[in-house]
Amino acid sequence: EVQLVESGGGLVQPGGSLKLSCAASGFMFSASSMHWVRQASGKGLEWVGRVRDKRSSYATGYGESVKGRFTISRDDSTNTAYLQMNSLKPEDTAVYYCGRAYCGAGFCYVDYWGQGTLVTVSS
Amino acid sequence: EIVLTQSPGTLSLSPGERATLSCRASQSVITNYFTWYQQKPGQAPRLLIYATSSRATGIPDRFSGSGSGTDFTLTISRLEPEDFAVYYCQQFDIPPFTFGPGTKVDIK
Repeated sequence: EVQLVESGGGLVQPGGSLKLSCAASGFMFSASSMHWVRQASGKGLEWVGRVRDKRSSYATGYGESVKGRFTISRDDSTNTAYLQMNSLKPEDTAVYYCGRAYCGAGFCYVDYWGQGTLVTVSS
Repeated sequence: EIVLTQSPGTLSLSPGERATLSCRASQSVITNYFTWYQQKPGQAPRLLIYATSSRATGIPDRFSGSGSGTDFTLTISRLEPEDFAVYYCQQFDIPPFTFGPGTKVDIK
């Protein structure tokens, strides 16, 4: 059974930093791209970014609103993906979800998501 | 970045009715990289349709997807009570992998 469990959320002051974790099990983590998505209360989904697998040199990509402030990484030895968030702003307040991407020859989609972890940026 | 626009914003229908949801992209999207998700309050998104028209595992056949280029459609042939939710489209063609703003399907 595929499981994704996010942790690390909480209250942080503007300008502060926070690191989220996504613990994965039930699939070949090392061969999967991992995505992060966020959702502010009452709002829609926003793609935060992704980290690809070793075969793709762990390439990363980010949404415009977080580029330069957030960094996504992974540790294949512990089946964990990370989202390092720096220079946090109140508008970063949201539930953050990690997802497993299934990508094949000419297609890609995220088929499993964690339950999410809440990040609140406030003084 | 590719901007996805969904219409209508809210669709008010009764159980048993047909729902047609639209997603329009600001530039052409390769069909193999277009998905639809369903989300209910307090829950994570759930994959419905990938590669424009392929149903994900366990998704009933009343859900179908179609489209190409810049225009994509999700159709729910006969609404069941559990289908009232918010639906999002997403493109995986060109990073950033943007979502549409969502269509809420609520009970009339």
